[in-house]
Amino acid sequence: EIVLTQSPATLSFSPGERATLSCRASQSVGKYLVWYQQKPGQAPRLLIYDASNRATGIPARFTGSGSGTDFTLTITSLEPEDFAVYYCQQRGSWPPLFGGGTKVEIK
Amino acid sequence: EVQLLESGGGLVQPEGSLRVSCAASGFTFTDYAMSWVRQVPGGGLEWVSSISSGGGIRHHADSVKGRFTISRDNSKNILYLQMDSLKPEDAGVYYCARGLGPTINVEYFQYWGQGTLVAVS
Repeated sequence: EIVLTQSPATLSFSPGERATLSCRASQSVGKYLVWYQQKPGQAPRLLIYDASNRATGIPARFTGSGSGTDFTLTITSLEPEDFAVYYCQQRGSWPPLFGGGTKVEIK
Repeated sequence: EVQLLESGGGLVQPEGSLRVSCAASGFTFTDYAMSWVRQVPGGGLEWVSSISSGGGIRHHADSVKGRFTISRDNSKNILYLQMDSLKPEDAGVYYCARGLGPTINVEYFQYWGQGTLVAVS
């Protein structure tokens, strides 16, 4: 079973800064890595699928990259609404598994 | 607009049973596999169960196998999760989520409901 590690658990930024989040898989998932955003009291929201494809309606400031075991979600300039928890999920092999999440908080 | 509305959560004693439901609208229900994903206290997300569009193929996570059963009523556009022999570690918010197509694949979840809270104590 593939394990996804997101570290650190919390990152602190000021609005306007660039944020880089990491997700590492215990074995290769190819390009099959997904990113979600979750705000308090809300369901997760799909951001990026298959490593680098933005979901419908997702702003261009969100960019995904990587392949194999190392993946990155970059938010080029943080807006106030981007402070949230971000989860990665692999869909390279059964079962679909999630990382533990990274909270992006306001510095 | 795709809408998924969960219901049926609540407080149940250990070893008790509960059935949660998800009413789907805004898309052709019979065209899509459906899944349940739960979020435990503390935040972690865990895939629980998936069912194919016709209901003939079902998968459950090892942690719930033999205790939980996913099903669907395609005439009513409703997804169910029957949870038996509940344990404290089953507590959390249960989300239904739509798949990418009719078959169960290792996929991502584009649409989620707002979730229903299950407490086991």
